[in-house]
Amino acid sequence: EIVLTQSPGTLSLSPGERATLSCRASQSVSSSYLAWYQQRPGQAPRLLLFGASSRATGIPDRFGGSGSGTDFTLTISRLEPEDFAIYYCQQYGSSPPVTFGPGTTVDIK
Amino acid sequence: QVQLVESGGGVVQPGRSLRLSCAASGFSFSSYGMHWVRQAPGKGLEWVAVMSYDGSYKYHVDSVKGRFTISRDNSKNTLYLQMTSLRAEDTAVYYCAKDSGNLNSLDYWGQGTLVTVSS
Repeated sequence: EIVLTQSPGTLSLSPGERATLSCRASQSVSSSYLAWYQQRPGQAPRLLLFGASSRATGIPDRFGGSGSGTDFTLTISRLEPEDFAIYYCQQYGSSPPVTFGPGTTVDIK
Repeated sequence: QVQLVESGGGVVQPGRSLRLSCAASGFSFSSYGMHWVRQAPGKGLEWVAVMSYDGSYKYHVDSVKGRFTISRDNSKNTLYLQMTSLRAEDTAVYYCAKDSGNLNSLDYWGQGTLVTVSS
């Protein structure tokens, strides 16, 4: 089973600042099978990025992704008030087919 | 537009059963794999199960194997999760989610239904 770890656990930033979130896999993951989700309080998760760097429909271009192998990064170039949320990475594998990281909380400093 | 609406949650005693439903609309349901994902109060996301578009493939996470069963009825555009032998640790919001079709992400999610297992 591929285990995902995310760091930091919490990121405290101000609106307008840049956020850099890390997702590390216990084994190599094809970048095609790495996705990122945003979950705002009281809401369902929303797909942000798939294939490590492709934005989902309607996602603004301040969200970007990169990485390969075991290290992936989600970057939010300039934080808007609605971006303060929890972010999860997810990989599509074999057994089990899907796993999520524990999440990174981006909160207002 | 894609809509996924879960139902069937509620309060249930340990050891009892519950069936969740997810009504889908706005896309060709019979063409996509579907997932269940849960989230315990204040915790992260835990993937639970997946079923292929035609029902020929399904997989459950180890923590629910033998107790939960995913199924679907393509004639009714509905996904199900039959949960038996419920435990306190199964208490969570249960989300259904649509597979993107490219085996890389879950592109649409319902709003979830809360299951509380308590005596």
